[in-house]
Amino acid sequence: EVQLLESGGGLVQPGGSLRLSCAASGFTFSYYAMTWVRQAPGKGLEWVSTISGHAESTSYADSAKGRFTISRDNFMNTLYLQMSGLRVEDTAVYYCARGTYSGILSALDDWGQGTRVTVSP
Amino acid sequence: DIQMTQSPSSLSASVGDRVTITCRASQGINNFLAWFQQKPGKAPKSLIYAVSSLQSGVPSRFSGSGSGTDFTLTISGLQAEDFATYYCQQYHTFPLTFGGGTKVEIK
Repeated sequence: EVQLLESGGGLVQPGGSLRLSCAASGFTFSYYAMTWVRQAPGKGLEWVSTISGHAESTSYADSAKGRFTISRDNFMNTLYLQMSGLRVEDTAVYYCARGTYSGILSALDDWGQGTRVTVSP
Repeated sequence: DIQMTQSPSSLSASVGDRVTITCRASQGINNFLAWFQQKPGKAPKSLIYAVSSLQSGVPSRFSGSGSGTDFTLTISGLQAEDFATYYCQQYHTFPLTFGGGTKVEIK
């Protein structure tokens, strides 16, 4: 059974940093691209970033470029999102999701339960 | 960026009804279109990919159709557990983009 478990969320002041993690199990992690999607309170889904299976390619939303870094450890089966220069508008639940193959552009199938990030003075 | 426009933004329906949600892309996305279901306080669940392919375990009352820029999610015989918000998403081009969502409520 595919399992994705996010962690690392919390309350942070504007300008601060957080590192989110997504621990994966139940599948061969390196075979799949991974994506972060966020959802601000009461709002819809917003794509943040995607990394290919062997980390050869990454892509970022404009809102994340220059502030967020996606990475993965295929030995530890873990996906990361390093967030810095956090803004109030980054407040959201952050979900990790698995792609349907290792290439960077693919559908999403399984999702984690999310981790909440609150940016507030 | 490719804009994804869903309609309606909300609808009321009864158990057993046939429900149709539409999604329009601002440019052609071939068949790189997915649908997700989200219930309050829960993570999204993948329903359909490649316009019409059901994810494993998704009931057959869900179906998808369309091509080019216009796509449809149909629920044939709405069940109580189907009351949720539905999102379309294109994965043709980065940035990946989602529709604004359609909330399906109980009439």
